[in-house]
Amino acid sequence: GQNIDQPTEMTATEGAIVQINCTYQTSGFNGLFWYQQHAGEAPTFLSYNVLDGLEEKGRFSSFLSRSKGYSYLLLKELQMKDSASYLCAVRGYGSSASKIIFGSGTRLSIRP
Amino acid sequence: DGGITQSPKYLFRKEGQNVTLSCEQNLNHDAMYWYRQDPGQGLRLIYYSQIVNDFQKGDIAEGYSVSREKKESFPLTVTSAQKNPTAFYLCASSIRGLAGEEGTGELFFGEGSRLTVL
Repeated sequence: GQNIDQPTEMTATEGAIVQINCTYQTSGFNGLFWYQQHAGEAPTFLSYNVLDGLEEKGRFSSFLSRSKGYSYLLLKELQMKDSASYLCAVRGYGSSASKIIFGSGTRLSIRP
Repeated sequence: DGGITQSPKYLFRKEGQNVTLSCEQNLNHDAMYWYRQDPGQGLRLIYYSQIVNDFQKGDIAEGYSVSREKKESFPLTVTSAQKNPTAFYLCASSIRGLAGEEGTGELFFGEGSRLTVL
């Protein structure tokens, strides 16, 4: 079976740092994605991790630990426009390499 | 420009009617996907296709059907058997994610189709 867990909602302050966690249990693993989705819009790609470690891309960083089935997305210097849902997704392996499953998403609210 | 086009953007349907959502991509991707999103929820996989003339059920395939006769196209039919079809439907494409393929295999999404059953 497959299970991807994220917190439902988080609140943070403009200019601060926030970490959004994602844990997963899947029958096969070949990479983890983070997407940002504003209300009423399609998701946009933020990051991809397939090896353990931290990937940094501007204000956003993503970390993966395959042995723990754990990832986090770190957002620095928060801006009001970062208010959105953040979706964690996992790609399968082998014959399921094309299968990509999403978690329920974390709704992040930024307060001034 | 390369991308994914979904149509229609908004669709209203009476109960008991089938409706087909269109999805076309010109990214030369082998894999295509249909997801459903309900308000305040994440994306749930309906069907996906790794290659032409092949597709697999996702987690919520009941009441839906697809075809993949061309690489560029992956239409989704919402049948009358789908008990609660009102939702936001997202089509996406990517490389297949196999070993040796270049790229992250990220999903490229269309703008979505919002279906409302009256």
